[in-house]
Amino acid sequence: DADVTQTPRNRITKTGKRIMLECSQTKGHDRMYWYRQDPGLGLRLIYYSFDVKDINKGEISDGYSVSRQAQAKFSLSLESAIPNQTALYFCATSDSLAGMNTGELFFGEGSRLTVL
Amino acid sequence: AQSVTQPDIHITVSEGASLELRCNYSYGATPYLFWYVQSPGQGLQLLLKYFSGDTLVQGIKGFEAEFKRSQSSFNLRKPSVHWSDAAEYFCAVVNTGGFKTIFGAGTRLFVKA
Repeated sequence: DADVTQTPRNRITKTGKRIMLECSQTKGHDRMYWYRQDPGLGLRLIYYSFDVKDINKGEISDGYSVSRQAQAKFSLSLESAIPNQTALYFCATSDSLAGMNTGELFFGEGSRLTVL
Repeated sequence: AQSVTQPDIHITVSEGASLELRCNYSYGATPYLFWYVQSPGQGLQLLLKYFSGDTLVQGIKGFEAEFKRSQSSFNLRKPSVHWSDAAEYFCAVVNTGGFKTIFGAGTRLFVKA
């Protein structure tokens, strides 16, 4: 089983619908992230969380919200989806408590969202 | 501001040929530098990383990268490419706090027989 699991892997929805992407991890890491990948733009950070009580906006948080339900779970919500939110979304984790915190990220397999 | 530039959007090499993917970064101090690979339909996987010491670092799958401070570069190399290396490659820089990763736009590698 994957250490970082994302559900759903693929989703097609309509403009205005509420969508939730879920992420769970078994790595025991404290930090979790949501990234968005668009062709030619690389990965851009949407939100990140350093622990259950800590949520921070990334560079493109508008139109998104998150919830850290437990150390192992971090969900991303689109309250009212719009077509330009069509993208590949990645959840990632990192371990700040490692011997040397270099920020290495461990990724899920991605959730492809299409908004019609 | 921190930034990462990968000048090549895509590169095509023949199987067995050598490979070099370019990466330039902008950062005030010595950053932590990473190369990740994304195979089709997969998440990103770490190839190698540099944070101190020897400027030539070895990674998985026969890849290596060299940190050149004077050129603000961290180019990825492989002496002989295999068809399974076809993927997208991302260079990334992390601040010294270890919590903010900036990714380049990626370079897609095509391997021809």
